[in-house]
Amino acid sequence: QKEVEQDPGPLSVPEGAIVSLNCTYSNSAFQYFMWYRQYSRKGPELLMYTYSSGNKEDGRFTAQVDKSSKYISLFIRDSQPSDSATYLCAMSRGPKAAGNKLTFGGGTRVLVKP
Amino acid sequence: DAGVTQSPTHLIKTRGQQVTLRCSPKSGHDTVSWYQQALGQGPQFIFQYYEEEERQRGNFPDRFSGHQFPNYSSELNVNALLLGDSALYLCASSLVLGAPNEKLFFGSGTQLSVL
Repeated sequence: QKEVEQDPGPLSVPEGAIVSLNCTYSNSAFQYFMWYRQYSRKGPELLMYTYSSGNKEDGRFTAQVDKSSKYISLFIRDSQPSDSATYLCAMSRGPKAAGNKLTFGGGTRVLVKP
Repeated sequence: DAGVTQSPTHLIKTRGQQVTLRCSPKSGHDTVSWYQQALGQGPQFIFQYYEEEERQRGNFPDRFSGHQFPNYSSELNVNALLLGDSALYLCASSLVLGAPNEKLFFGSGTQLSVL
């Protein structure tokens, strides 16, 4: 069993819809949670970064972390065709414990149709 | 301000050959990590360098080795290439190993194809 599980998709939504993405994990030592966006043949780009449980909002993006359930989510409001990409969740035990080593999910491919 | 730069962009090798990939970290960053991303998968941690030493290593064989130079740039070497080594190799940099809330910034990667 992988440490971080993520539905590979593809997830297809109409423009303007809310995109809902999630990951589950098994290692309770994870403290930092991230979402990256990756366009084809490009490196991952950091979208959201949260510590421990709770919600964080940044523009159209909202990240949620529920450590008790070992479940994290990313919501994208008012989705645009330019949001079409692969979304990767990532997590770490923290810089002091693991020197920022990230464990990634497999990524979810999202397609926003005009 | 230049971000993380990697070279070459693409590389084609044959089985058994050796390859060297290069990475220049984001300006001001001193820690470099390497990840391997197979097609359709998430990145997998290979190793991390700080102060010219390997600080952490993932579950990769000794065929994978690296180096960090005094200017913080880094190389990833892979010996005795296998078909399964075909992947996108990503370099990520950050500032100060162990700093709280430190985030990684990724380069665009080197696409390695082993034939």
